[in-house]
Amino acid sequence: DTAVSQTPKYLVTQMGNDKSIKCEQNLGHDTMYWYKQDSKKFLKIMFSYNNKELIINETVPNRFSPKSPDKAHLNLHINSLELGDSAVYFCASSQLGGTGGRTDTQYFGPGTRLTVL
Amino acid sequence: GQNIDQPTEMTATEGAIVQINCTYQTSGFNGLFWYQQHAGEAPTFLSYNVLDGLEEKGRFSSFLSRSKGYSYLLLKELQMKDSASYLCASSGGSYIPTFGRGTSLIVHP
Repeated sequence: DTAVSQTPKYLVTQMGNDKSIKCEQNLGHDTMYWYKQDSKKFLKIMFSYNNKELIINETVPNRFSPKSPDKAHLNLHINSLELGDSAVYFCASSQLGGTGGRTDTQYFGPGTRLTVL
Repeated sequence: GQNIDQPTEMTATEGAIVQINCTYQTSGFNGLFWYQQHAGEAPTFLSYNVLDGLEEKGRFSSFLSRSKGYSYLLLKELQMKDSASYLCASSGGSYIPTFGRGTSLIVHP
C-alpha cells in the first residue's frame, strides 16, 4: 500500500493557468510538507502543516496556496503559473514534525513533475 | 539560519568503499539526516544522527561530529544500484530538516 501518494505524477500546462496537486498519506502522521526540487536537485521546503494548521511558510509567492482539509491530505494550488515554477514538487509527511520537540523522519511521495510552457 | 555543503558529484568502483562528506552550520542544531534519491524517484530515509559517533546499518554507516559541524555517509561493498543522489539534511530550531544540494554518486563496474 502506498504511504504517501500524489496526483498527478506529471503536469504540463501553459503559463498563466491555475493548477492543483493533491497529496494524501495513510501513515496516520500529524505533519505534512510541500517541497520544491529544481533542476539542480535542490530540495527546498515550501510549507509545513500540523493537524491542518500551517506551521511553516517559507518565502514562497502567494500564488501558491496550500490547503489541508484533514490531517491526511495536503493539497497545493498554484495560480497564474510562471515558467520558473517548473520543477518537481514533493509532498512528505512525518509523525510529529516540529511540534513534538524533536525532528522526525520524513516520508516522501513520488513527486509531481510540473512543466510550464 | 542553516548552511549545508556537500560535494556535487563522486564516482567509485563496484565493490569499493566511498565516503560522502557534509558540513553544516545550523542554529539550534538537533540532528542530521541522510536520504537517498534515485533519479526520477522520491528521497528515502537512510539515517539520522543526533549524538556524536558512528551509526552502522548494514552496508551504510553515518558519522556525526557536532563540535565540528561535520557528518559523513560511508557506503561499503558498493553495488551498481547505489548510484543515486545522497542528500544531507540538518535540523535546527524549527525541527524541519533543511536539505543540501545532494551528492550524485556514480558507481561503475
